[in-house]
Amino acid sequence: GENVEQHPSTLSVQEGDSAVIKCTYSDSASNYFPWYKQELGKRPQLIIDIRSNVGEKKDQRIAVTLNKTAKHFSLHITETQPEDSAVYFCAALGWGTDKLIFGTGTRLQVFP
Amino acid sequence: DVKVTQSSRYLVKRTGEKVFLECVQDMDHENMFWYRQDPGLGLRLIYFSYDVKMKEKGDIPEGYSVSREKKERFSLILESASTNQTSMYLCASTLGREGTDTQYFGPGTRLTVL
Repeated sequence: GENVEQHPSTLSVQEGDSAVIKCTYSDSASNYFPWYKQELGKRPQLIIDIRSNVGEKKDQRIAVTLNKTAKHFSLHITETQPEDSAVYFCAALGWGTDKLIFGTGTRLQVFP
Repeated sequence: DVKVTQSSRYLVKRTGEKVFLECVQDMDHENMFWYRQDPGLGLRLIYFSYDVKMKEKGDIPEGYSVSREKKERFSLILESASTNQTSMYLCASTLGREGTDTQYFGPGTRLTVL
């Protein structure tokens, strides 16, 4: 089955810097890759997603890139702000399944 | 606005007790999921359901069972709680049955088994 690895586990950046979180997946047939953000004490929420027929997707300060050949996808946050501090989870949907396989999470801390 | 609620935010139980965790969604969602969240392990799927009285095993179903008697309610049952089931439990639901549908999570139940 699908396996998703996520790095780094923790990331600290200065406010205004960029942050990049990377995930790799094992099932080459996976076709959908969402990112969820979980602020401290709150529930995870979808922030952006990408499908396998697209190489990049942007939404204001966040973007996701997908490299199908290498089987990895990344979350990019530019001009980070303290409210970006959270745990970020990547996920992959295997072909023919209804289950998301989540990565282990990245705790991002943005220092003022 | 989608609302997914869970019966308790915090729960403390003793080893061997039967534990019920309940999840309710008010948006007529088709699919419902139960995950557990542990540090360094991310979100792991326990069970999910795509219809009333239907259930599918996730990646870590051992020691758990589920019940979906009504569309809006999905219960997770620990038949005999053990200390290794101490964890944060998150329920989620999706509008449709497609794996690409957005998952809406509940606030979580932090279960401690003594």
